[in-house]
Amino acid sequence: RKEVEQDPGPFNVPEGATVAFNCTYSNSASQSFFWYRQDCRKEPKLLMSVYSSGNEDGRFTAQLNRASQYISLLIRDSKLSDSATYLCVVPLGPIYNQGGKLIFGQGTELSVKP
Amino acid sequence: DTGVSQDPRHKITKRGQNVTFRCDPISEHNRLYWYRQTLGQGPEFLTYFQNEAQLEKSRLLSDRFSAERPKGSFSTLEIQRTEQGDSAMYLCASSGGRSSYNEQFFGPGTRLTVL
Repeated sequence: RKEVEQDPGPFNVPEGATVAFNCTYSNSASQSFFWYRQDCRKEPKLLMSVYSSGNEDGRFTAQLNRASQYISLLIRDSKLSDSATYLCVVPLGPIYNQGGKLIFGQGTELSVKP
Repeated sequence: DTGVSQDPRHKITKRGQNVTFRCDPISEHNRLYWYRQTLGQGPEFLTYFQNEAQLEKSRLLSDRFSAERPKGSFSTLEIQRTEQGDSAMYLCASSGGRSSYNEQFFGPGTRLTVL
């Protein structure tokens, strides 16, 4: 089993749609999680951090289910500018202060159409 | 620009040649990471430094790869005797300072093409 697995995508949705991405992780000891966004041929950029059951930031909601080792990212009212690859990320190392390596999922591509 | 910078942005080389990439992290960050990303995949961890100490190396980092951070500031990644399979985007990231160590900030990457 891969350490971090995501829906392969691509997701093609119309503007205004709600879209959800799923991610599972294998290390039950993981405490914190991230969603990164990566535009085509650009570097990944942090979108959201998830340290407890979930996090919400405007149109974006991340949820965590520790029992199922499952993380999701929900995007409401999709915009054309949301088109990108979304990477589910699990750091290896204790939360907050040890700063270990990041384990990335393969990414899920989202294309929002007019 | 106070973000992570990488140089060069693109490198085309012939198989068997040596290449060296440079990364300048965010100035107050004491941790520096190297990742490799191939098309359609997420970045894969290669190695990381805390200050000048190299704390971990991935099994992906064969003996043809070497990374240094001699003064705890910038870092270099050298690939000797390049192979076509080394073609990828090499990403550098840094963390530390006022932000959580787990939040890593990435540079624009160096895209390597081995012919």
